[in-house]
Amino acid sequence: RKEVEQDPGPFNVPEGATVAFNCTYSNSASQSFFWYRQDCRKEPKLLMSVYSSGNEDGRFTAQLNRASQYISLLIRDSKLSDSATYLCVAPLHTGTASKLTFGTGTRLQVTL
Amino acid sequence: GAVVSQHPSRVICKSGTSVKIECRSLDFQATTMFWYRQFPKQSLMLMATSNEGSKATYEQGVEKDKFLINHASLTLSTLTVTSAHPEDSSFYICSAPRSSDIDTQYFGPGTRLTVL
Repeated sequence: RKEVEQDPGPFNVPEGATVAFNCTYSNSASQSFFWYRQDCRKEPKLLMSVYSSGNEDGRFTAQLNRASQYISLLIRDSKLSDSATYLCVAPLHTGTASKLTFGTGTRLQVTL
Repeated sequence: GAVVSQHPSRVICKSGTSVKIECRSLDFQATTMFWYRQFPKQSLMLMATSNEGSKATYEQGVEKDKFLINHASLTLSTLTVTSAHPEDSSFYICSAPRSSDIDTQYFGPGTRLTVL
């Protein structure tokens, strides 16, 4: 089983729709997670962190379900500019830094 | 603004040549940097951890003699792809965490390598 698994999509949604992605992880010791956004041919950019209490930032909400070992990302009122690949990331602490394990990403395409 | 830079952003080379990619942290010191590789339509795969003043640690399956890493200063790590072949063509990205927050990593803009 992969450490971090995501549905690759693509998810094609109309502007204004609400869309949700899930990500499952295998390492039950992981305490926190991240959602990154990656545009085509660009580096990933941190979207939000996900802790036990969840996280909300504007139209974006992330939740963590430890019992089922999955993380979710909800995007409300989708914009055209939300079109990108969303990467679920699990950090592994190594002392001075954290090694990041990336999921394969879920591709979102928001259309008019 | 960018906190991690990479150079070059794009390189095209002939098979058999070596290519050096630089990763710099611009406004902070990084004792650790990470090198990733991303093939088309795939996710980022960690290749190695670059450690300032000591040897890099490589992930399973990554040839250390093929991908030479040097972390000579607290702001610079270099990845050299030696004797590059077409299968090495990929998007190479580095990242660095600030010591004050080891979970948050800043990514460089990436280097697109094409080996002919």
